[in-house]
Amino acid sequence: EAEVAQSPRYKITEKSQAVAFWCDPISGHATLYWYRQILGQGPELLVQFQDESVVDDSQLPKDRFSAERLKGVDSTLKIQPAELGDSAMYLCASSLSGGRETQYFGPGTRLLVL
Amino acid sequence: RKEVEQDPGPFNVPEGATVAFNCTYSNSASQSFFWYRQDCRKEPKLLMSVYSSGNEDGRFTAQLNRASQYISLLIRDSKLSDSATYLCVVIDTGRRALTFGSGTRLQVQP
Repeated sequence: EAEVAQSPRYKITEKSQAVAFWCDPISGHATLYWYRQILGQGPELLVQFQDESVVDDSQLPKDRFSAERLKGVDSTLKIQPAELGDSAMYLCASSLSGGRETQYFGPGTRLLVL
Repeated sequence: RKEVEQDPGPFNVPEGATVAFNCTYSNSASQSFFWYRQDCRKEPKLLMSVYSSGNEDGRFTAQLNRASQYISLLIRDSKLSDSATYLCVVIDTGRRALTFGSGTRLQVQP
């Protein structure tokens, strides 16, 4: 069964450092999402791509976060500089075309900022 | 006020019990509804979609009440393996991303 791949699975960094997360969606999925899940809360959307274009980044803290999906396939989410409050699980999801079809989540990257 | 609200629980129930979770949403324009399940330290996985007429999948029954803007999930004959966090999810008109509640934690005990 096809899966969404994410790496690294775990990342520990010090505040003010830069971190980057990678996501490879299910092959053929045009829509890719990055969510952030703080412990005890539900995931919240950070950014949504349709192919290589950003369609929603209204909740992305653009002063420190950036995301790209240059070829419309895999994607990178970067934080620079990391802050203590960024400690969370970063989840990538993909869906076929961004309609009401199922979104499939990757295993996530758990970030701890010290 | 959060867009999607759930009782965080935990709900501690014995094996075989019936348990129900409710969820309320604030945007009357919400158009699609789901329950996701999330095991500890794992990613969310779709449990079931929720349809206006209500729908059932084995031991799980989902209901939607648009007038009152709430969604429910009923689990019959609880199993130990049902222990997880259940996330209520909506999609609003014009958006494609999922809006999650904070989740309700269920612990089924032997």
